Amino acid sequence: AQSVTQLGSHVSVSEGALVLLRCNYSSSVPPYLFWYVQYPNQGLQLLLKYTSAATLVKGINGFEAEFKKSETSFHLTKPSAHMSDAAEYFCAVSAYFGNEKLTFGTGTRLTIIP
Amino acid sequence: EAGVVQSPRYKIIEKKQPVAFWCNPISGHNTLYWYLQNLGQGPELLIRYENEEAVDDSQLPKDRFSAERLKGVDSTLKIQPAELGDSAVYLCASSLETGGDAPAEAFFGQGTRLTVV
Repeated sequence: AQSVTQLGSHVSVSEGALVLLRCNYSSSVPPYLFWYVQYPNQGLQLLLKYTSAATLVKGINGFEAEFKKSETSFHLTKPSAHMSDAAEYFCAVSAYFGNEKLTFGTGTRLTIIP
Repeated sequence: EAGVVQSPRYKIIEKKQPVAFWCNPISGHNTLYWYLQNLGQGPELLIRYENEEAVDDSQLPKDRFSAERLKGVDSTLKIQPAELGDSAVYLCASSLETGGDAPAEAFFGQGTRLTVV
């Protein structure tokens, strides 16, 4: 079984500051890991995904995440926050073989302070 | 290219009434998902289709929920009768699974927000 834990249901950062959203996973098999963003009243949009090719994954809108097996983490970062980054962010995990089901975390709401 | 289309966007019904949600996936996508998203929570899978076959419906409350994907394209999710606790956002997603090593990207619709009063 797979699960993810997102630390911090709400995160606030100043515009231009570093964004760090935390995600830890639990998986009995090598995992696939994802970050999705959800804007108000919208569906989810894929930011980036880890599929074992490289531990540092770059995504859209300047976001990146690093897979650390020793820490079972997949934290999302962005060097400089922009007002448009304000949204809900979800970390998700999928099993390596056969099961395409995504298991989501509870989400982190990111607020950008002008 | 059109994305995943869901309708209606919003629905308000009285408890014990039936309700249906419709999803049109991205053209050519063989895999379709219905997710339930409660307020302040991440989405949870209700059912997954590969073409017209439901391959994972273990989380679908079959006493009141049903789904179908005729001809392996559009899909309908139904609740009968609705309960107050069914108030949530129902998300549809689709992907093109080619049998490779990595899961394909799932594209999500905007969801249907259901309010049961």
